[in-house]
Amino acid sequence: TQLLEQSPQFLSIQEGENLTVYCNSSSVFSSLQWYRQEPGEGPVLLVTVVTGGEVKKLKRLTFQFGDARKDSSLHITAAQPGDTGLYLCAGANTGNQFYFGTGTSLTVIP
Amino acid sequence: DTGVSQDPRHKITKRGQNVTFRCDPISEHNRLYWYRQTLGQGPEFLTYFQNEAQLEKSRLLSDRFSAERPKGSFSTLEIQRTEQGDSAMYLCASSLAVSRVNEKLFFGSGTQLSVL
Repeated sequence: TQLLEQSPQFLSIQEGENLTVYCNSSSVFSSLQWYRQEPGEGPVLLVTVVTGGEVKKLKRLTFQFGDARKDSSLHITAAQPGDTGLYLCAGANTGNQFYFGTGTSLTVIP
Repeated sequence: DTGVSQDPRHKITKRGQNVTFRCDPISEHNRLYWYRQTLGQGPEFLTYFQNEAQLEKSRLLSDRFSAERPKGSFSTLEIQRTEQGDSAMYLCASSLAVSRVNEKLFFGSGTQLSVL
């Protein structure tokens, strides 16, 4: 069961453009992670956000955790072809599972 | 540290056959997860181990699926009487969990299963 909905599902943009990916849920999470996955490989962790309203930056990537800890966003500035991949959010609740989102497939065209 | 290793990378089998996948986690990682992923979708939780104990199993998981982690190191995932709907990427992840909020999952490259 997917408790985290991501939007958009697919995104194709030109190099240099900005974009935002959203991760929404009706559930509250103790923490939320963002991963990037390339074809044929496993997801790689980008960031973990823990506090409601928290903002973290990783070079051109900005991650925000919603105040109520139910949603998150990933903003990429001046996208590059190397940013191409499947972006996944994953929420941790009080149990032992990490629930992954439905994924956003990003293609950056040179 | 060589990372999480999964074997085989690809498996093609006929419907009704049994298959077994292996996962070698990062040394000293106490937690091990199995996920299933279909193309373009997010990973779906299957089961989870803390050391050798299987602590949680997805309610969606058929009884044809079984996983073990006998010595708290490597793990195996077996699928009996495979069906075409079992075709997917099977991902293993490990972590050294000090606290829940700081837990980081390290994934292997997965085993791609195709059931003909």
